Amino acid sequence: EVQLVESGGGLVQPGGSLRLSCAASGFTFSSYWMSWVRQAPGKGLEWVANIKQDGSEKYYVASVKGRFTISRDNAKNSLYLQMNSLRAEDTAVYYCARSVYYYSGMDVWGQGTTVTVSS
Amino acid sequence: SYVLIQPPSVSVAPGQTARITCGGNNIGSKSVHWYQQKPGQAPVLVVYDDSDRPSGIPERFSGSNSGNTATLTITRVEAGDEADYYCQVWDSSSDHVVFGGGTKLTVL
Repeated sequence: EVQLVESGGGLVQPGGSLRLSCAASGFTFSSYWMSWVRQAPGKGLEWVANIKQDGSEKYYVASVKGRFTISRDNAKNSLYLQMNSLRAEDTAVYYCARSVYYYSGMDVWGQGTTVTVSS
Repeated sequence: SYVLIQPPSVSVAPGQTARITCGGNNIGSKSVHWYQQKPGQAPVLVVYDDSDRPSGIPERFSGSNSGNTATLTITRVEAGDEADYYCQVWDSSSDHVVFGGGTKLTVL
């Protein structure tokens, strides 16, 4: 079964750090672009970052650039999001998702992990 | 940055046709993807590359894209189609994935 499972969410204070993970199974992970997409409570979807199959290209939304780092380990079939200098506005459910190309639709999504930034 | 505009809500009676629009500057030159999201669940891709359907998505879901508007059409609407729908493109000028604000489909 094709599956993405996120983990690592939780409650963190403003200015703190968190590392999200996304474990892939059931498909050839190294053949896909991977993205992180977030959804603040009661709000719409917001793309956060994506990464090329070999990790050589990475793109970020402006609001997280310099604070978040996307990475992947194809040997472990895993995607990561290192989040530093967290702000209240980063509070959201974070989803990982795959696509064939950077411009393709995201055809498989994880169930999401919740990040809450609050003192 | 590129902006996609969706109506906040669309209402339709069961059995009728729902049309959800997604407006963007010359969006017809881009590939548009559509997602369905039900409460508490992850998004599901229902249309990709303007008008293609992933396996398992009913033929009732279709898409079109021309000029400044892309449209998701759902025929013979069912109660189970009630959800939020999002359009999405890749903006090559900013190297960003862009989502529309979402449309809540209500089945009356």
